[in-house]
Amino acid sequence: DTGVSQDPRHKITKRGQNVTFRCDPISEHNRLYWYRQTLGQGPEFLTYFQNEAQLEKSRLLSDRFSAERPKGSFSTLEIQRTEQGDSAMYLCASPGGNSGNTIYFGEGSWLTVV
Amino acid sequence: AQSVTQPDIHITVSEGASLELRCNYSYGATPYLFWYVQSPGQGLQLLLKYFSGDTLVQGIKGFEAEFKRSQSSFNLRKPSVHWSDAAEYFCAVGPSGGYQKVTFGIGTKLQVIP
Repeated sequence: DTGVSQDPRHKITKRGQNVTFRCDPISEHNRLYWYRQTLGQGPEFLTYFQNEAQLEKSRLLSDRFSAERPKGSFSTLEIQRTEQGDSAMYLCASPGGNSGNTIYFGEGSWLTVV
Repeated sequence: AQSVTQPDIHITVSEGASLELRCNYSYGATPYLFWYVQSPGQGLQLLLKYFSGDTLVQGIKGFEAEFKRSQSSFNLRKPSVHWSDAAEYFCAVGPSGGYQKVTFGIGTKLQVIP
């Protein structure tokens, strides 16, 4: 258990529907990351928060994607008007350890768009 | 830009045999290097990390990795593989001195045969 919780673990949705994923990070660190992993690929960086501020967004994050971290604690990742190409595992990560230089991942949220 | 190459997509070894998974990175300065392991449908578990100091680092589950700056490599090794080591292994690189984001390789899928 890394201390990073994600919900839901699995989501099947019809194309065109909206979905939202939640991440609860390790509490004592102010940074939070979202990654996406498709089958046969390594995780790819999506976005990064420091406290409430979203400091960086990947080009992978189209305008249908929005991430928030309203109180600098948990974060949500919403995908609007889902497409089949959005099917992937969405991973949340949080720094941990003594120096905070290592990121620890949650179990991920699997999205299947049918 | 930072990048990671894992040249072996799939490796099969016999249980009890030794293992070496290759990783080459590209980064303009001294990198932080990581190996993660992922079982099917699960998140990523940190095996080991290199920040500085001794270039041979020990991790969990009997794994070790050696940082070779001259070869831009960070290969993962284990002297005797167990059937439970079957999983996908990801090498990753991140910037030192102020954590931003980590870039992953495509992964190496390890199959262990009895």
